[in-house]
Amino acid sequence: AQSVAQPEDQVNVAEGNPLTVKCTYSVSGNPYLFWYVQYPNRGLQFLLKYITGDNLVKGSYGFEAEFNKSQTSFHLKKPSALVSDSALYFCAVRAYSGAGSYQLTFGKGTKLSVIP
Amino acid sequence: DTEVTQTPKHLVMGMTNKKSLKCEQHMGHRAMYWYKQKAKKPPELMFVYSYEKLSINESVPSRFSPECPNSSLLNLHLHALQPEDSALYLCASSQAGTETQYFGPGTRLLVL
Repeated sequence: AQSVAQPEDQVNVAEGNPLTVKCTYSVSGNPYLFWYVQYPNRGLQFLLKYITGDNLVKGSYGFEAEFNKSQTSFHLKKPSALVSDSALYFCAVRAYSGAGSYQLTFGKGTKLSVIP
Repeated sequence: DTEVTQTPKHLVMGMTNKKSLKCEQHMGHRAMYWYKQKAKKPPELMFVYSYEKLSINESVPSRFSPECPNSSLLNLHLHALQPEDSALYLCASSQAGTETQYFGPGTRLLVL
């Protein structure tokens, strides 16, 4: 079964400092990995994805993620955190569900708090 | 444009009511999804429609009834819900089910 794990329930970082939100995966075959962000009382916003190619993936709002096959990780990073980055972040993996359909399996989420 | 719209934004209903949630996208996506999300938890998949046909039903109780009238519209009909069904209901769409899913803002449902 395809799964992702987010080991931290919460990450606190000072504004202007670099941030990392961790994700590890367990898949058979090539992983299709995603990061989404959710602001309070809102839907999920797509940040970036890894399918194939460069291990460093650049996404929206200055975020990037590094795919590491040997460590089965896909950590989300940003060089300089903003207070407005405070939100709930989900890592997800795409899994085949049969009958030509795919579904996303999400991690439990990591709450990021950027402190002014 | 990667917009998925959902109406209503908020819904309060009694356990005997019948109501419907609506989702719309105009990106030409052929896969559409309903998720249920409890506070501070990840979304849980409920249904998947692929090319307007129901392809996945994650053992959802029959008091939730999905409908896909056309490739742009997805409805979720609600009947005789329980208070534990109170949650944020999210709709998403993607190209033919294989690529990135784009989510709507959700409908916040409260069952009294």
